[in-house]
Amino acid sequence: RKEVEQDPGPFNVPEGATVAFNCTYSNSASQSFFWYRQDCRKEPKLLMSVYSSGNEDGRFTAQLNRASQYISLLIRDSKLSDSATYLCVVNVGYGGSQGNLIFGKGTKLSVKP
Amino acid sequence: DAGVIQSPRHEVTEMGQEVTLRCKPISGHDYLFWYRQTMMRGLELLIYFNNNVPIDDSGMPEDRFSAKMPNASFSTLKIQPSEPRDSAVYFCASSPGTGAGRSQYFGPGTRLTVL
Repeated sequence: RKEVEQDPGPFNVPEGATVAFNCTYSNSASQSFFWYRQDCRKEPKLLMSVYSSGNEDGRFTAQLNRASQYISLLIRDSKLSDSATYLCVVNVGYGGSQGNLIFGKGTKLSVKP
Repeated sequence: DAGVIQSPRHEVTEMGQEVTLRCKPISGHDYLFWYRQTMMRGLELLIYFNNNVPIDDSGMPEDRFSAKMPNASFSTLKIQPSEPRDSAVYFCASSPGTGAGRSQYFGPGTRLTVL
């Protein structure tokens, strides 16, 4: 079983649509969670951290379900500029150390006019 | 502030040649990571350093790969000899401080093609 699994997509949606991405992780000891965004031929960039209570940043909402080992990202009122690949990322950090980030392969989003 | 700097941005070489990739992390960041990204395998961690010391190199594919961090502002990833299957985008990333909640800042990557 892969450590972090995502639906690769692509998700093709019209402008203004709401779209949701899901991700599951296998290591129950995972301590922190992120969504990264990667534009075509660019480096990954942090979109947002994911907190246990759920968190929102403008049009973006992230949720975490530790019991089900499941993470989600919701994008409301999607814009053309949201077109990118969204990477689900999990950190298994031991004893307060950085550990390392385990990346999913990403879900590709294409927002059409 | 300057982000993570990588060079070269593109590298085309022939099988058997030595390749050296370079990285300058963000000043003040204690952690430095080397990743490789391919369509088939996605983004994979190769090795990471904390305060210039290699902590985990379990992702380094084989002995042909080596990485060094002689000081806090410079790291290299070397492939010798290179093979066509090494073709990928290699990213360097850095992160501040300690704690599993810290995110990472990626450089623009080096696109390597081995013919």
